[in-house]
Amino acid sequence: GENVEQHPSTLSVQEGDSAVIKCTYSDSASNYFPWYKQELGKRPQLIIDIRSNVGEKKDQRIAVTLNKTAKHFSLHITETQPEDSAVYFCAARDSNYQLIWGAGTKLIIKP
Amino acid sequence: GAGVSQSPSNKVTEKGKDVELRCDPISGHTALYWYRQSLGQGLEFLIYFQGNSAPDKSGLPSDRFSAERTGGSVSTLTIQRTQQEDSAVYLCASRFEITDTQYFGPGTRLTVL
Repeated sequence: GENVEQHPSTLSVQEGDSAVIKCTYSDSASNYFPWYKQELGKRPQLIIDIRSNVGEKKDQRIAVTLNKTAKHFSLHITETQPEDSAVYFCAARDSNYQLIWGAGTKLIIKP
Repeated sequence: GAGVSQSPSNKVTEKGKDVELRCDPISGHTALYWYRQSLGQGLEFLIYFQGNSAPDKSGLPSDRFSAERTGGSVSTLTIQRTQQEDSAVYLCASRFEITDTQYFGPGTRLTVL
């Protein structure tokens, strides 16, 4: 079955700098990869997703890239702001429409 | 429109008691998922309902856990004879049949004393 690994577990960046979180997956049949943001005490919320027919997708300061050959995808946040501080989860959808989740990355934005 | 709702938002119970947690998915969403999230941890899959198909119960940690979904809408997660290690936030999510996005409810924080 599908397995998703996420790195790093904690990432601390200076406000205004960029942050990159990486995930790898094992099942080459996976074709949908969402990223969720979970602020402290809140529910996870979708921030961006990508399907296997594209290599990159952007939404303002957030972008996701997908390398199908290497089976990895990454979240890029530019010009980080204090409100970007949260835990970010990546996921890959398996053939049963289940999301297989990464372990999460705690992003800390230093003022 | 209304999002996924869960009740209660908080539940404190004594060890050995049974609890029921409720999830109201987004109207029209045929898929419903239950997850458990311990403090500072990731999302642990529990159970998945898709339409009228048999649920995927592969994530339930023990036979003390069960869930049902009546009428293809509201779902109830039941934990019998609660243990302290059951303390966590229980999250429900729903998904429209032809899309991939899961929408989460606010969760129920369960504390077993």
